[in-house]
Amino acid sequence: DAKTTQPPSMDCAEGRAANLPCNHSTISGNEYVYWYRQIHSQGPQYIIHGLKNNETNEMASLIITEDRKSSTLILPHATLRDTAVYYCIVRVVGVQGAQKLVFGQGTRLTINP
Amino acid sequence: GAVVSQHPSRVICKSGTSVKIECRSLDFQATTMFWYRQFPKQSLMLMATSNEGSKATYEQGVEKDKFLINHASLTLSTLTVTSAHPEDSSFYICSARGTTYEKLFFGSGTQLSVL
Repeated sequence: DAKTTQPPSMDCAEGRAANLPCNHSTISGNEYVYWYRQIHSQGPQYIIHGLKNNETNEMASLIITEDRKSSTLILPHATLRDTAVYYCIVRVVGVQGAQKLVFGQGTRLTINP
Repeated sequence: GAVVSQHPSRVICKSGTSVKIECRSLDFQATTMFWYRQFPKQSLMLMATSNEGSKATYEQGVEKDKFLINHASLTLSTLTVTSAHPEDSSFYICSARGTTYEKLFFGSGTQLSVL
């Protein structure tokens, strides 16, 4: 199963773009990259996912390198409410093809006023 | 987006009692549900995977007789912590995946405190 590496913490100024990196050098060709975030004492919130191409939605953009060994989540205009732990996850296939998500340690992003 | 409801949000119980946590998918049919546990300042740890109508698959090191999982319908899975002890105190989170969704949706979590 591919694993991910993220910096343990990052800071970003309010209103600026927050760029969160993730390394997944052992990712296989059919594995997707997912991003979730968790605000304190809540369940994780889905942000975005992608396979090869860059993706954008109302929350964020996902940039995946051509070799797919790393990716970057971009929050274009960070607000104080974006302060959370951000998890980069590669989707694995478990028993019976259940496609479970295995969480790493994530990046604790702090948005400063 | 799809909604997953988890209940209760917080429970306090005495050591030796059993606690049941419910996870419901409100607007989609969840063929697969996952149960996670999270200790303070740590990441989520997958406990088990449950498929509707079949036995749950537990991760290594998770006691299946202690953490009973039932996925009796396409919208409901339950986790029962049997004979709870203080070391079972944790934040328990469920997630659900439908037949067409690629993404998992998570419940809001249950904080279990065993006295």
